[in-house]
Amino acid sequence: AQTVTQSQPEMSVQEAETVTLSCTYDTSESDYYLFWYKQPPSRQMILVIRQEAYKQQNATENRFSVNFQKAAKSFSLKISDSQLGDAAMYFCAYRSATGNEKLTFGTGTRLTIIP
Amino acid sequence: NAGVTQTPKFRVLKTGQSMTLLCAQDMNHEYMYWYRQDPGMGLRLIHYSVGEGTTAKGEVPDGYNVSRLKKQNFLLGLESAAPSQTSVYFCASSYGGVDKNIQYFGAGTRLSVL
Repeated sequence: AQTVTQSQPEMSVQEAETVTLSCTYDTSESDYYLFWYKQPPSRQMILVIRQEAYKQQNATENRFSVNFQKAAKSFSLKISDSQLGDAAMYFCAYRSATGNEKLTFGTGTRLTIIP
Repeated sequence: NAGVTQTPKFRVLKTGQSMTLLCAQDMNHEYMYWYRQDPGMGLRLIHYSVGEGTTAKGEVPDGYNVSRLKKQNFLLGLESAAPSQTSVYFCASSYGGVDKNIQYFGAGTRLSVL
């Protein structure tokens, strides 16, 4: 079974600075998808970024980028120029590409932005 | 653009009572999912559906039932609520085919069972 581990329960960063959230996963599969979801106080789960395992290039969405290290099974999220609106819980998630519909989530990292 | 809508947003039940949570999506998605979120844990899959009239068990299905009579709706039922079912419940949906890996979530339902 796949597992997703987020070892940082809480992180904080000064506004306008850069922060990196860590995620590692365990799988025996070679083809899969990885995601970062943001959950603000409103509870709404919002997709931040996704990465296909077969792509070597790291995904980027504006101020958000990932460092995907397939051999190390690591998938970290970098937030550049942090803004107050980035404050939220961030969840890393894994999904097999072979038809299993399950998203496996990590336990989350609470990100605080310091003005 | 409503997306995924969950009703109700909050509910308090007594042990043994029953209730149904409704999830509706207006994106014509084939796949729908029910998750629960507990403190200190990530979301866990309860049940899911890959199309109208189909349902399947997820990771933590015990104590729950689901139905997908219409493509746009996915209902989660608790026949006899227990305190262990106190949680936040999320519904999600996704397209079938190559884009089925992106799940869109509702705002959640906070359920307390006393």
